[in-house]
Amino acid sequence: DVKVTQSSRYLVKRTGEKVFLECVQDMDHENMFWYRQDPGLGLRLIYFSYDVKMKEKGDIPEGYSVSREKKERFSLILESASTNQTSMYLCASSSITLMGQEDYNEQFFGPGTRLTVL
Amino acid sequence: AQSVSQHNHHVILSEAASLELGCNYSYGGTVNLFWYVQYPGQHLQLLLKYFSGDPLVKGIKGFEAEFIKSKFSFNLRKPSVQWSDTAEYFCAVNAWNNNDMRFGAGTRLTVKP
Repeated sequence: DVKVTQSSRYLVKRTGEKVFLECVQDMDHENMFWYRQDPGLGLRLIYFSYDVKMKEKGDIPEGYSVSREKKERFSLILESASTNQTSMYLCASSSITLMGQEDYNEQFFGPGTRLTVL
Repeated sequence: AQSVSQHNHHVILSEAASLELGCNYSYGGTVNLFWYVQYPGQHLQLLLKYFSGDPLVKGIKGFEAEFIKSKFSFNLRKPSVQWSDTAEYFCAVNAWNNNDMRFGAGTRLTVKP
């Protein structure tokens, strides 16, 4: 079974704090993703990574950065947390797209981290 | 970039009623389409997916979806819902040969016993 784990289920931080959200996957997937999930807005892509040390901005990267030093680990960083970053953060991983493989691109999700910024 | 619209925000049904959740996407090229489900307190998990071939796709728990290319739609259906289907449902699309995905806003389904 694919397993994606996130370091915390619940996190409470204060405005201005630096926040690290960690995600680890055990399936040797090349791709990893960070989303935030908000009611009525669904999942919005923050950043994704195709490979170690590679990163691409998603739709809402402002106020976030990421780090991928090892293939299995993808970190989301809030340099200076703000109240509008209170949300559920979801990490996902997937294998690389390959021609002829029916199962490519399915994303596997972690349990999420509910972050509250006071 | 591709985008996804889910028209129903909250659907309330009684058990045994039929379900259809709408999903439309915007992208001019070949796409892969997905429905994910999030049961209360659980991870997002894949319900079904379409890559190619038969446009009618069957998934887990009796769900199916039909890809209608001319309408850019991928609606989810189930003939008879159960109380245990209460969950949030997300439609997602990614452009073919592309690794990132875009999700719709989600539809919350409440099934009354």
